Amino acid sequence: DSGVTQTPKHLITATGQRVTLRCSPRSGDLSVYWYQQSLDQGLQFLIQYYNGEERAKGNILERFSAQQFPDLHSELNLSSLELGDSALYFCASSPPGTGGEKLFFGSGTQLSVL
Amino acid sequence: SQQGEEDPQALSIQEGENATMNCSYKTSINNLQWYRQNSGRGLVHLILIRSNEREKHSGRLRVTLDTSKKSSSLLITASRAADTASYFCATENTGNQFYFGTGTSLTVIP
Repeated sequence: DSGVTQTPKHLITATGQRVTLRCSPRSGDLSVYWYQQSLDQGLQFLIQYYNGEERAKGNILERFSAQQFPDLHSELNLSSLELGDSALYFCASSPPGTGGEKLFFGSGTQLSVL
Repeated sequence: SQQGEEDPQALSIQEGENATMNCSYKTSINNLQWYRQNSGRGLVHLILIRSNEREKHSGRLRVTLDTSKKSSSLLITASRAADTASYFCATENTGNQFYFGTGTSLTVIP
């Protein structure tokens, strides 16, 4: 058990809908990262938060947004869903430091858009 | 894109053999890490090598890093069926973002 909790584990929804994925990082970790994993794109970095502030954006679509709350949990919001958004979404956290910290991954949310 | 690439995409070996997988990346890095992913599960950290290091060992794992070629290799010695998984390299840049490669799927045949 990595200590990173993601809910829900599975999500099935229809095109055009909006969903929210939730992540609780390990106790003491300030950084939260979101990744999307699909068969044809590999593991894509979406966005990073550090202690409530957005730190970096990767390949995140404008239809997607995220935030990190004061209690450090994070939510990834996906709207106007398309079939191509079907993927495994991972959250990862890392402890505070100056670099060289490893990522601890949650078990992911499998999103299926029908 | 800062995403790296692993090579080969897939590797199948007999138990007891060594497995070597390679990673190439594009930008300057602080360090490079290798992760393992069992099917449909979260990634698990295996080993980290800093940009000023050339080789590192951890148990049956050996990692090398060549920053001039922007490449790394992961060697798993005396492989076991339980090593069957996908392996990813991840580069950490100066902004503490982690970019993952495309992964190598390793199958170890008992």
